[in-house]
Amino acid sequence: GAVVSQHPSWVICKSGTSVKIECRSLDFQATTMFWYRQFPKQSLMLMATSNEGSKATYEQGVEKDKFLINHASLTLSTLTVTSAHPEDSSFYICSARNIRDTRFEAFFGQGTRLTVV
Amino acid sequence: RKEVEQDPGPFNVPEGATVAFNCTYSNSASQSFFWYRQDCRKEPKLLMSVYSSGNEDGRFTAQLNRASQYISLLIRDSKLSDSATYLCVVNPPGNTPLVFGKGTRLSVIA
Repeated sequence: GAVVSQHPSWVICKSGTSVKIECRSLDFQATTMFWYRQFPKQSLMLMATSNEGSKATYEQGVEKDKFLINHASLTLSTLTVTSAHPEDSSFYICSARNIRDTRFEAFFGQGTRLTVV
Repeated sequence: RKEVEQDPGPFNVPEGATVAFNCTYSNSASQSFFWYRQDCRKEPKLLMSVYSSGNEDGRFTAQLNRASQYISLLIRDSKLSDSATYLCVVNPPGNTPLVFGKGTRLSVIA
């Protein structure tokens, strides 16, 4: 199946610093990528939809100035957590769809476990 | 009504048992349907798509009832390795995000 690569798989950072997470579709083009967050024992929560060449669409309650999303090409989207705080510690997952796949099934990156200390 | 509803479980079943999960969705215009599996501290992985005619993949059978807006997953001859959270996923019309149920947790016990 299609492959989505997410990097890094885990990161520990200090409060107040910024962290960038990359999401790449390796063998297909994705006009749209989605960013999710998952806290322990909770379900996936959609944070934002990343559109290639345009601004991301954020879900209600997600601060766009804190979670910066850039989707510069059909194979790469980045999420930057700015001025991270301990409450931002979570599992961040991206997903992408193949624009030629009419069923629109999504493929997920491996996830990034962020710990802010 | 929530967009996608699932029984959270947990379902604790012995090895070899047959177990069924159900899911309902609210948007009648939804186009495609999936079951994903998520292991603890890992990303969700596609288990199988769900087709109107019903489909089977080995020990797994998925069914869709559009009239009742209901999806099911049947697992036969459960293995220990089937222990995971099973996510019912619905694709609304257009290139919009997939909608996930909260998942049903399955534990297969030796």
